[in-house]
Amino acid sequence: AQTVTQSQPEMSVQEAETVTLSCTYDTSENNYYLFWYKQPPSRQMILVIRQEAYKQQNATENRFSVNFQKAAKSFSLKISDSQLGDTAMYFCAFMDNTDKLIFGTGTRLQVFP
Amino acid sequence: EPEVTQTPSHQVTQMGQEVILRCVPISNHLYFYWYRQILGQKVEFLVSFYNNEISEKSEIFDDQFSVERPDGSNFTLKIRSTKLEDSAMYFCAIPARSRVDTEAFFGQGTRLTVV
Repeated sequence: AQTVTQSQPEMSVQEAETVTLSCTYDTSENNYYLFWYKQPPSRQMILVIRQEAYKQQNATENRFSVNFQKAAKSFSLKISDSQLGDTAMYFCAFMDNTDKLIFGTGTRLQVFP
Repeated sequence: EPEVTQTPSHQVTQMGQEVILRCVPISNHLYFYWYRQILGQKVEFLVSFYNNEISEKSEIFDDQFSVERPDGSNFTLKIRSTKLEDSAMYFCAIPARSRVDTEAFFGQGTRLTVV
């Protein structure tokens, strides 16, 4: 069974600084997708960034980028130039071959002015 | 415009009552997923529904729960005889696979409060 682990329950960063959220996973599959979702206080699930396992190039979306290490089964999220609006829960998720998402326990990120 | 709309956004119900949560996609989708998030905890898979049948369910999805596609367009999650521990956010999601990429669109969620 696939598992997703987020070892940082809480992180904080000052506005304009860079922060990295870690995520590791376990799977025997070779091709799969990985996602980071942001959940603000409204509790809506907002897709931040995605990575397909067979793509070696790390995904980037504006200030958000990932460090995908397939052999190490690691998928960290880097947020550059942090903004107050980035304050939220961040969930790492693995999509298996049935399109089911398996989530980590989340990291609560607080951005301070 | 969101891909998926959920209603109601918030529902308060008395313990023992039945609730029906609805999910409406803006276009035809054969696959549907329901997830649950108890406050302060992670998002957990409940059930996947494909072409009018359950394709996979978790151990959480017991006889208290059922899913339907009552009219061909919207999907429902029914919770019978609600318990206090059913209080949670319930999300429906649809996967979207294309030649370019893959993601899962989430509805805005239904906050269920059982009192």
